[in-house]
Amino acid sequence: AQSVTQPDIHITVSEGASLELRCNYSYGATPYLFWYVQSPGQGLQLLLKYFSGDTLVQGIKGFEAEFKRSQSSFNLRKPSVHWSDAAEYFCAVETSYDKVIFGPGTSLSVIP
Amino acid sequence: NAGVTQTPKFQVLKTGQSMTLQCAQDMNHEYMSWYRQDPGMGLRLIHYSVGAGITDQGEVPNGYNVSRSTTEDFPLRLLSAAPSQTSVYFCASSPTSSEAFFGQGTRLTVV
Repeated sequence: AQSVTQPDIHITVSEGASLELRCNYSYGATPYLFWYVQSPGQGLQLLLKYFSGDTLVQGIKGFEAEFKRSQSSFNLRKPSVHWSDAAEYFCAVETSYDKVIFGPGTSLSVIP
Repeated sequence: NAGVTQTPKFQVLKTGQSMTLQCAQDMNHEYMSWYRQDPGMGLRLIHYSVGAGITDQGEVPNGYNVSRSTTEDFPLRLLSAAPSQTSVYFCASSPTSSEAFFGQGTRLTVV
């Protein structure tokens, strides 16, 4: 069965520090991959997506993610975190028939 | 543009009551889906639809029904509410294999 894991439930970083959020997926073929962000009390907003081609994808708000087929991973990175980045981050996989499966999420706290 | 509109935003139900969560989108997207969000569990897919008249089950469909009579609307029905259905429910729509647009959510409490 398809699944998405995000090993880190909660991460705390200092403002200005770099960030990496981990995501691993289980799927037989190459999936479509997404990262979404959810601010408190809000719906989800797409940060970036990978469909094919260049394995390093750029998104909004200075985020990027790298698809590594050999590791079944799609980790999200940002070189310098801002206080406004504090939120919940979800990795998602679109499998066949357009079913999108989400990971459990990683909560990010930013220390000023 | 309204995007994806969910109503109501908040709802309290008694165990055994039924209700329908409404979801409407004005982007002419073929794909629509319902998720529930619970702490530590992320979003779990309840039901989804790839077009009018076509629906299918997701990861956690038990206790919920859906129908898709028009492209715009995708209501979620709780037949007999249970406390385990206390959650935040999100509706989403998307064009084929692309970004999903989410509604603001419905916070449901079943007592």
